[in-house]
Amino acid sequence: QAGLTQPPSVSKGLRQTATLTCTGNINNVGNEGAAWLQQHQGHPPKLLSYRDNTRPSGISERLSASRSGNTASLTITGLQPEDEADYYCSAWDSSLSAVLFGGGTKLTVL
Amino acid sequence: QITLKESGPTLVKPTQTLTLTCDFSGFSLNTNGQGVGWIRQPPGEALEWLALIYWDNDERYSPSLRSRLTITKDTSKNQVVLTMTNMDPVDTATYYCAHRPATGLFDYWGQGTLVTVSS
Repeated sequence: QAGLTQPPSVSKGLRQTATLTCTGNINNVGNEGAAWLQQHQGHPPKLLSYRDNTRPSGISERLSASRSGNTASLTITGLQPEDEADYYCSAWDSSLSAVLFGGGTKLTVL
Repeated sequence: QITLKESGPTLVKPTQTLTLTCDFSGFSLNTNGQGVGWIRQPPGEALEWLALIYWDNDERYSPSLRSRLTITKDTSKNQVVLTMTNMDPVDTATYYCAHRPATGLFDYWGQGTLVTVSS
C-alpha cells in the first residue's frame, strides 16, 4: 500500500524554525491536501491542522501548514522544548479509497 | 465536547479474533458527514489506518487488511466495534479510535488500548 513520505528526523535549535514535509501524489496530498498530527511519547496523536492550513481552536499560531503540488509542509516557528515530538501527516487517497499516514518525523529541539 | 474511549482484551493468542469497542460521546453517528475510524500503532512505529465507518453505514478498509477486518456501529449505544480475525504477533499495537468530522480527517482521538498478541 502506497503511503506518504516524511523525513525520519529533523533537528533544530531553540527558537529556530522547522519545516517538515510530506510527499504524496495527485490522488492524496495533491487532491484534498493533508492533515498534520503531533504525538508526544506515550500520548495519542493530536490534530494540528487540516485542509492544508486550517487550525483547530487552541493550536498555536506558531504552527502553519501549506501545500505545493503533491507536497504538504508544516512550519513551526520559535521552536520550544514542548515542540519536540513525532509529527505525522495524513491524507485521504481517492484512488485507494483509503486513509494514508506518513511514516512520521521525529522533531528534536536542541 | 467529543470524547472517545477504546476497550477490549489486552492479550490475545495467535489465530484468535480481536474485538475492540469504541465508546464515544459529543457527536452522533446519525448526523450527516460524521464518521469513526480505527488506527493502530505498533510499539515504536508509525500510525496505520485500519477502517472507517460513516453515518450512512458506508465502510472503508485498509486494502492490505481488508480481508481480516469488520467495522460496525450501534448508534443507539454510541459505539463502534472493530473485529480483526487471525491475529498474529505482528498485530501487537496500540489501537486507537478517532472521530472523523465532515470537514476532514481525524480530529479527536481516544487514549488507545495496547493489544499484545502472544501465546
